[in-house]
Amino acid sequence: EIVMTQSPATLYSSPGERVTLSCRASQNIGDTLAWYQHKPGQSPRLLIYGASTRAADVPARFSGSGSGTDFTLTISSLQSEDFALYYCQQYSHWWTFGQGTRVDVK
Amino acid sequence: QLQLRESGPGLVKPSDTLSLTCTVSGGPLTGTLDYWAWIRQSPGKPLEWIATVYYNGNTFYNPALESRVTISIDKSNYQFFLKLGSVTAADTAVYSCARQKDFYYFDFWGQGALVTVSS
Repeated sequence: EIVMTQSPATLYSSPGERVTLSCRASQNIGDTLAWYQHKPGQSPRLLIYGASTRAADVPARFSGSGSGTDFTLTISSLQSEDFALYYCQQYSHWWTFGQGTRVDVK
Repeated sequence: QLQLRESGPGLVKPSDTLSLTCTVSGGPLTGTLDYWAWIRQSPGKPLEWIATVYYNGNTFYNPALESRVTISIDKSNYQFFLKLGSVTAADTAVYSCARQKDFYYFDFWGQGALVTVSS
């Protein structure tokens, strides 16, 4: 099983700041990586697939990068609605998720 | 806009079978690039993919759960189903259904249904 490790577990930030979330795969997965945003009481929302392709209607402040084993989700200027839980998921071999990074108010 | 909604008992007894239904609205289940999946999250654990079904009935299971899981689909009624047998407390989780695009990532999700395994 490919294990996905996200860091940090919680990231404290303020509106307007640039934030970077990390995701590491236990083996090379190429660019077969997706990112999701999850808010309490809502369905998870697909943000990024193919490591760097934004899903439909996702604001341009969200960007994904990386390949192989190390990946990054960047929010260029944090908005109030971006405080949430973020997951990465690989689809190279079956489908596994990271533990999540919570973006919280500083 | 595609919407998915999980339904089923919120409490299941140990050793019984957990049964859930996902009802899809806003689109067909027969898209050639669309697969339909169940995912769960137990307390303190990452999201875990359980199973996937295609509209033609092809199924794919998490090897760790395969012996206890059945996924099926009723495309004419816009529903797909999960059955998990011989449940234990470790199967207590929020169970979510989702569309799996291109057999890759999950682009539409239900809100999730909490299922507790307890006597």
